[in-house]
Amino acid sequence: DTAVSQTPKYLVTQMGNDKSIKCEQNLGHDTMYWYKQDSKKFLKIMFSYNNKELIINETVPNRFSPKSPDKAHLNLHINSLELGDSAVYFCASSKDYSQPQHFGDGTRLSIL
Amino acid sequence: QQQVKQSPQSLIVQKGGISIINCAYENTAFDYFPWYQQFPGKGPALLIAIRPDVSEKKEGRFTISFNKSAKQFSLHIMDSQPGDSATYFCAAKNSGGYQKVTFGIGTKLQVIP
Repeated sequence: DTAVSQTPKYLVTQMGNDKSIKCEQNLGHDTMYWYKQDSKKFLKIMFSYNNKELIINETVPNRFSPKSPDKAHLNLHINSLELGDSAVYFCASSKDYSQPQHFGDGTRLSIL
Repeated sequence: QQQVKQSPQSLIVQKGGISIINCAYENTAFDYFPWYQQFPGKGPALLIAIRPDVSEKKEGRFTISFNKSAKQFSLHIMDSQPGDSATYFCAAKNSGGYQKVTFGIGTKLQVIP
């Protein structure tokens, strides 16, 4: 069973479009995260939720809007996509902020 | 501001050799130091972690050495195998409250037969 699953795995779209990435975890964790990994492999946190509440909101353009409908899901919606948004986006979860994070396999977003 | 500095960015090691990756941090509030391993097309996975109350932690062929006074820690992979070829990230965190994990830039390790 996949612990942290993201869909889609690949997303190719035009500049200016709006897209969403979904994430689900079946580990019973309370905390979920979104990370962006750029072409140089640098991992940077974007958002973090704890029990559906937004806790960490790094300096991210407001075109990015996370939504957590329940503790097991954290989705990421991106408006007006730009070339610089091309990256791999990882969802992760942990039992709480003191516990190790479990990552999904990523969504590779390519903007044409 | 890069709070966790990692080197080298790439590393080629012969099979059976020792792979060493170094990290340094600035924030003295960090008290949890995990290492993650990432294979192509996969997400990072926790490999081994250490807290500053110990100077070394070993799990199989993987060892973390920690020097609190120098604010440095390193990963040693003994008897490196081609299957260890991956990108390795060091990280650091203040385990109090709602604190984020700060990652190093990653080291791409290639173990050649």
